[in-house]
Amino acid sequence: NAGVTQTPKFRILKIGQSMTLQCAQDMNHNYMYWYRQDPGMGLKLIYYSVGAGITDKGEVPNGYNVSRSTTEDFPLRLELAAPSQTSVYFCASSYASGTSPLFGPGTRLTVL
Amino acid sequence: KNEVEQSPQNLTAQEGEFITINCSYSVGISALHWLQQHPGGGIVSLFMLSSGKKKHGRLIATINIQEKHSSLHITASHPRDSAVYICAVISNNNDMRFGAGTRLTVKP
Repeated sequence: NAGVTQTPKFRILKIGQSMTLQCAQDMNHNYMYWYRQDPGMGLKLIYYSVGAGITDKGEVPNGYNVSRSTTEDFPLRLELAAPSQTSVYFCASSYASGTSPLFGPGTRLTVL
Repeated sequence: KNEVEQSPQNLTAQEGEFITINCSYSVGISALHWLQQHPGGGIVSLFMLSSGKKKHGRLIATINIQEKHSSLHITASHPRDSAVYICAVISNNNDMRFGAGTRLTVKP
């Protein structure tokens, strides 16, 4: 199993550009999550999904969108990038709520 | 005030020392996780616990539900233990909330 994979590893965007962060897992996990990690702060939940076709907002959803058309994939879309979205983004998955999540390697995004 | 507070923020130890990292939380929880984030950035789950104590090698995690407090202990610390240790709680409505992390540096 590849686990949780994320692409790209690094990206620099200009203000107003859009991009999609990809996340995939091959463990047939129902639950998938997107977090952002800012320096000196705990991970913050952006969006999560409890299964294909179902998504919900987390703590900090503004400026982002997600979709979950398959169990495996959970892309995160930034429509109009802003400097405040400069962060490291982690995707994670788990079999069920409350079970140990498996994290992807992260995507470091800089918006200039 | 954060719902999950960790202390200390930074910790430097000499190889071989016994290390304790603390986590206090203010919400009702169903479980608590200790995570490890290495300098390369990857995050791995060390423990999930909802009561008592768990041990894995040189790592021990304890939780006191009544006091809303958990500790992570590392015995005979080693430079390879240098990492950021993150406490995360699963609240009673299934949200996962994270502490800011404790940066541990173990010097040879």
